[in-house]
Amino acid sequence: NAGVTQTPKFQVLKTGQSMTLQCAQDMNHNSMYWYRQDPGMGLRLIYYSASEGTTDKGEVPNGYNVSRLNKREFSLRLESAAPSQTSVYFCASSERGYTSGDRPYEQYFGPGTRLTVT
Amino acid sequence: QKEVEQNSGPLSVPEGAIASLNCTYSDRGSQSFFWYRQYSGKSPELIMFIYSNGDKEDGRFTAQLNKASQYVSLLIRDSQPSDSATYLCAGGRALTFGSGTRLQVQP
Repeated sequence: NAGVTQTPKFQVLKTGQSMTLQCAQDMNHNSMYWYRQDPGMGLRLIYYSASEGTTDKGEVPNGYNVSRLNKREFSLRLESAAPSQTSVYFCASSERGYTSGDRPYEQYFGPGTRLTVT
Repeated sequence: QKEVEQNSGPLSVPEGAIASLNCTYSDRGSQSFFWYRQYSGKSPELIMFIYSNGDKEDGRFTAQLNKASQYVSLLIRDSQPSDSATYLCAGGRALTFGSGTRLQVQP
């Protein structure tokens, strides 16, 4: 099993360009997440999908859109990139929403995409 | 105030010592917490989670949760240079991540 895969690994964009970050998981997980990580800021949730067919905003959704294409795939789109979106982007998945029921569910992270917007 | 707060460090300990990493949280309704380890340039990986008051041990790692005082800690016994990494605490109803504490274990 590959776990969580992300493409591309690195990307450089010019201000105003658009792109889509791809994420796929092969663990049959219901929930998927997109985070960004900036120096000294920890991980911040951009969007999440609790289950196939649903998406919800996280802490920092502005400037991004997402699509839960099917149970395996969850993509993140930047319509008009800005230098403030320079960051490392991580996709994650979990069996269920992280506190469904009476137990927490571990998130598994992809390798990340390092994005630079000039 | 961030929902989950950590001291950014670095925390430096000698090899073989106990490393103590701490995290405080503001949401009294928080039920469960996770500790992740992140090596430089890599993705976070789960060390352990805790959702009951008290201690939870797994090998060299012990997580402690004190809901009355709203803090979570991670103890690493017999620290090794390979434990040098950034440790992220995460929890709260929206699963907020702290900014991480960088641990350096000196050989």
